[in-house]
Amino acid sequence: NAGVMQNPRHLVRRRGQEARLRCSPMKGHSHVYWYRQLPEEGLKFMVYLQKENIIDESGMPKERFSAEFPKEGPSILRIQQVVRGDSAAYFCASSPLRGNNEKLFFGSGTQLSVL
Amino acid sequence: EDKVVQSPLSLVVHEGDTVTLNCSYEVTNFRSLLWYKQEKKAPTFLFMLTSSGIEKKSGRLSSILDKKELSSILNITATQTGDSAIYLCAVSTQGGSEKLVFGKGTKLTVNP
Repeated sequence: NAGVMQNPRHLVRRRGQEARLRCSPMKGHSHVYWYRQLPEEGLKFMVYLQKENIIDESGMPKERFSAEFPKEGPSILRIQQVVRGDSAAYFCASSPLRGNNEKLFFGSGTQLSVL
Repeated sequence: EDKVVQSPLSLVVHEGDTVTLNCSYEVTNFRSLLWYKQEKKAPTFLFMLTSSGIEKKSGRLSSILDKKELSSILNITATQTGDSAIYLCAVSTQGGSEKLVFGKGTKLTVNP
C-alpha cells in the first residue's frame, strides 16, 4: 500500500511563473490537507479538501493560491505568478475520515524554489 | 490566535544521553497533542496525547501531557545517531477548523 505520493519532489520556477504541486493520497483516503513549511518555521495549515469539495481554506493566501481535489486524479495545489516568498516545502497529508486530522499520513513534500 | 511553542529549538548530544523536549500550547478548545519525527522530509507520527498524566511509550521514546500546565514533554533515553531529526509538536482543536497547529520543532543532533 503506497503512502502519500507527492510530485515533483523539487520544483524550480522563475518569478511570475505558475507552480503546480500534486498529491495522491493513500489508497482509501478521501481527505487531503496541504501544509507549508518555511525555512526555520513549523508547518502551517493551508487547506483541507475532500473529493470535489474545499472544506477549510482558512490558511490559504487570498490571492494567487488555489487548490482542488477532483473526483478522479490527485489533489493539486496551484500557485500563480510565484514570488520569492513562495519558496518553501509544501506537504500534503491524507486521512481516511473527516475530522480525523490527528491521524494524518504525510507525503515527502515538494520543495519549491523561486528564482 | 492558537500557538504552540517548542524548546529548545536545537539540541546536540552524544550517543547514550537522555534528552527531554518541551512543548507548550495556548489554544482554544484543546482536543489532543501530537508528536511527529521529521527526518529528511516526511513527518512521521509518534504519539497522540489526550489525557493528562498518562504516559505513552514506544521503545526508548515516551511522552506525557500536562493539561494544567498546558504542556507536554517528549523523552528519549539512550539516544542513538538514528534519533537525529526534527521533532514536531502539534495541537488539534475541537469544533470548527480542521487544522493542526504546529510548533517550530526541535532539531536534535546525536553525535557518535
